[in-house]
Amino acid sequence: GEDVEQSLFLSVREGDSSVINCTYTDSSSTYLYWYKQEPGAGLQLLTYIFSNMDMKQDQRLTVLLNKKDKHLSLRIADTQTGDSAIYFCAETRNNNAGNMLTFGGGTRLMVKP
Amino acid sequence: DAGITQSPRHKVTETGTPVTLRCHQTENHRYMYWYRQDPGHGLRLIHYSYGVKDTDKGEVSDGYSVSRSKTEDFLLTLESATSSQTSVYFCAISESRGETQYFGPGTRLLVL
Repeated sequence: GEDVEQSLFLSVREGDSSVINCTYTDSSSTYLYWYKQEPGAGLQLLTYIFSNMDMKQDQRLTVLLNKKDKHLSLRIADTQTGDSAIYFCAETRNNNAGNMLTFGGGTRLMVKP
Repeated sequence: DAGITQSPRHKVTETGTPVTLRCHQTENHRYMYWYRQDPGHGLRLIHYSYGVKDTDKGEVSDGYSVSRSKTEDFLLTLESATSSQTSVYFCAISESRGETQYFGPGTRLLVL
């Protein structure tokens, strides 16, 4: 199984809020990331949060971090059809040579008009 | 995609043939990574590089080798492709240790 876990699928109506959840295992992670992948494309960095923060807001995006429960969430306000994509959370695990990203399996967000 | 290109973007090959994928960056970033993406697994790290000629294994390195002879290029080689290596391969770069990784557009590889 994945060390970083996400639900597979989320469906919302246009204009509603979307909340995508993620649980991770490494309490020493320094950064946690959210990436967006549209069909046939690479991963686009959406936002990230440093592990000493519990919330970060960036326009329609709000990231919440609960370190005690190792739970990360991404809230998208006023979800649009263009937000339909796969969303990946990832945690960093530092080793001597670099930062290793460990990804969840991705949550497919479908936005219905 | 932060000055990262991958070539080829699509490739079909036969089992047992060698395949080389190229990642090229124009950002002069020190760290480069190769991931594969498979349904239900997210992205898994194959190999990474922390400088010219400095590489190390990732989570799923068996059957893959890499080379980095100059800062801007990171090559991934499948010495003898197998059907289990059918996947989408992504390259990523980061400026330094602990910095954010930026991804290329991906290479879709089909091994028949």
